[in-house]
Amino acid sequence: DGGITQSPKYLFRKEGQNVTLSCEQNLNHDAMYWYRQDPGQGLRLIYYSQIVNDFQKGDIAEGYSVSREKKESFPLTVTSAQKNPTAFYLCASSTRLAGGGDTQYFGPGTRLTVL
Amino acid sequence: GENVEQHPSTLSVQEGDSAVIKCTYSDSASNYFPWYKQELGKRPQLIIDIRSNVGEKKDQRIAVTLNKTAKHFSLHITETQPEDSAVYFCAFQDHRGGGADGLTFGKGTHLIIQP
Repeated sequence: DGGITQSPKYLFRKEGQNVTLSCEQNLNHDAMYWYRQDPGQGLRLIYYSQIVNDFQKGDIAEGYSVSREKKESFPLTVTSAQKNPTAFYLCASSTRLAGGGDTQYFGPGTRLTVL
Repeated sequence: GENVEQHPSTLSVQEGDSAVIKCTYSDSASNYFPWYKQELGKRPQLIIDIRSNVGEKKDQRIAVTLNKTAKHFSLHITETQPEDSAVYFCAFQDHRGGGADGLTFGKGTHLIIQP
């Protein structure tokens, strides 16, 4: 998981602003994921991408957008439409096995606070 | 959507004793069940995983058992040590389509090792 980086580590946003969280990996993984973690809760899937130029919505995609123009990069934009964006955001990546069961490795996370 | 129930939410054990955390899942098509350990403010780290073609897997002091008929799996930690104190998450891989699907996580178990 040392090959996955996220920036910034901390991010403060005013209400009504869009912000973009960066996620980069040098593990040559095909698949990348974004999760959100709230205090005392498990992780919830926002978006995932199995291959360049393709991505799918997860369980809580409303108010978020992503792009996958390069294999190593999967940025997440938190839009003003996201009603409660304050959370810990975690990016992950994995190989893409045909039968599934591919281990997901996590980046260090970005802690977003809306002021 | 699919979900997983994890129990207990908090577990306190004496150093040297065993700890058991249990999860029940809903997606009968799942075939991959990882366990992650997360220390405060850090990224989740994979500690062990199991695939549906085996019923048990062991790695030193850590073991996972899987009962596909009953749709539950458990984490067992023996000879607990202070550094085992953390939050543990179970997860399973959904089948949304494609080979690299997102994970559905339990809400976590806060394991406390008492000296």
